[in-house]
Amino acid sequence: AQKITQTQPGMFVQEKEAVTLDCTYDTSDQSYGLFWYKQPSSGEMIFLIYQGSYDEQNATEGRYSLNFQKARKSANLVISASQLGDSAMYFCAMREIFFTGTASKLTFGTGTRLQVTL
Amino acid sequence: GAVVSQHPSWVICKSGTSVKIECRSLDFQATTMFWYRQFPKQSLMLMATSNEGSKATYEQGVEKDKFLINHASLTLSTLTVTSAHPEDSSFYICSARDAQGAHPDTQYFGPGTRLTVL
Repeated sequence: AQKITQTQPGMFVQEKEAVTLDCTYDTSDQSYGLFWYKQPSSGEMIFLIYQGSYDEQNATEGRYSLNFQKARKSANLVISASQLGDSAMYFCAMREIFFTGTASKLTFGTGTRLQVTL
Repeated sequence: GAVVSQHPSWVICKSGTSVKIECRSLDFQATTMFWYRQFPKQSLMLMATSNEGSKATYEQGVEKDKFLINHASLTLSTLTVTSAHPEDSSFYICSARDAQGAHPDTQYFGPGTRLTVL
């Protein structure tokens, strides 16, 4: 079963505007983590922001904020004041913790391609 | 902090040869590293979890004898694609967790290696 869903294959936003990239997830675990990564055309995966399932406040990192709605199982990424350099693929990912406590895996969504226009 | 390097960044080889890809954590120690594969316009697919000093854990459907993983030190993991064939051509990305860092659950990614098998 798909655990991370990104329903927007592509998004356009004008420079200096804000944009929201959607992400919903599915898990039966109480403890999990949610991540957003940016992948520019160079291929590198750049960590943007993290939200823990027990965090009461939405995570923020500079122009990035995560709109975490636990009951809806959504973790949308909000980019404020978009810049041309924000044009890239954006992946939502979830980390689940297993009972063994070993390093757990990330499950990625299919990604959203964001294009920032002038 | 939390910088991960990969070498080489790209490689072209003949069918039947073996190719080794290195993944290094430059400014932290990583007991666990991860190897992913990404096809064009697709998401990341986890291939295996590399554990320092022990055998790697492979995902279902990934051939252990084909993709040899060695994690000999806390800063280096290697992936060797043995007897490479054109269908192995792909973008291979590694990641590592900085368990002592500000975001211990976060995986930091290398820049990736583009493998082309002729």
